[in-house]
Amino acid sequence: SYVLTQPPSVSVAPGQTATITCGGNSIGTKSVHWYQQKPGQAPVVVVYDDSARPSLIPERFSGSNSANTATLTITRVEAGDEADYYCQVYTNSDQWVFGGGTTLTVL
Amino acid sequence: QVQLVQSGAEVKRPGASVKVSCKASGYTFSSFGMHWVRQAPGQGLEWMGWINVGDGDTEYSKKFQGRVTLISDTSATTVYMELSSLTSEDTAVYYCARPWLGTYFDKWGQGTLVTVSS
Repeated sequence: SYVLTQPPSVSVAPGQTATITCGGNSIGTKSVHWYQQKPGQAPVVVVYDDSARPSLIPERFSGSNSANTATLTITRVEAGDEADYYCQVYTNSDQWVFGGGTTLTVL
Repeated sequence: QVQLVQSGAEVKRPGASVKVSCKASGYTFSSFGMHWVRQAPGQGLEWMGWINVGDGDTEYSKKFQGRVTLISDTSATTVYMELSSLTSEDTAVYYCARPWLGTYFDKWGQGTLVTVSS
């Protein structure tokens, strides 16, 4: 089965840039979606199709995808960005897979 | 506006089954599928399966194959997820989620907590 690997945690100071990776075999050939989940809430998509951003998501959120790693980048990090982030792909065997999730801590 | 409203929390005994509903509104129900995702306490998101509401076709995660059943009722604009042979490992929040054009999940239900305990 297809596995997506994320770092368990990332810490960053306010105003700095956070980078969250999602590793998978040839993930660059797939479309990657990223979700933000705050405690007690349902997930919200922040980046879809590798690098597209829903209209209500700030431009500070961006994504890229190449080879075996997809990346979610959050610039000018704010306290309100503190959350869990999950990557997601659709595999060739008609299965959807989520990464294990990364907890973003704003110091 | 698009809304997915799920049924309330459930407490079940080991070995029992649970059925969670997800009522959709604010869009053409039959034009979109519906996925189910669960999240155990303190854990990550886990995809369970999806249903093509238009024709009832389903695809299930290999992990849940044989234990999960998704059904849609187009007249009630509601999708049901039934999970059988419950164990304590099935204690989780269960979400329904609408896929946008078959890709990412753009709308989610509020989640339903299912607790399995003797």
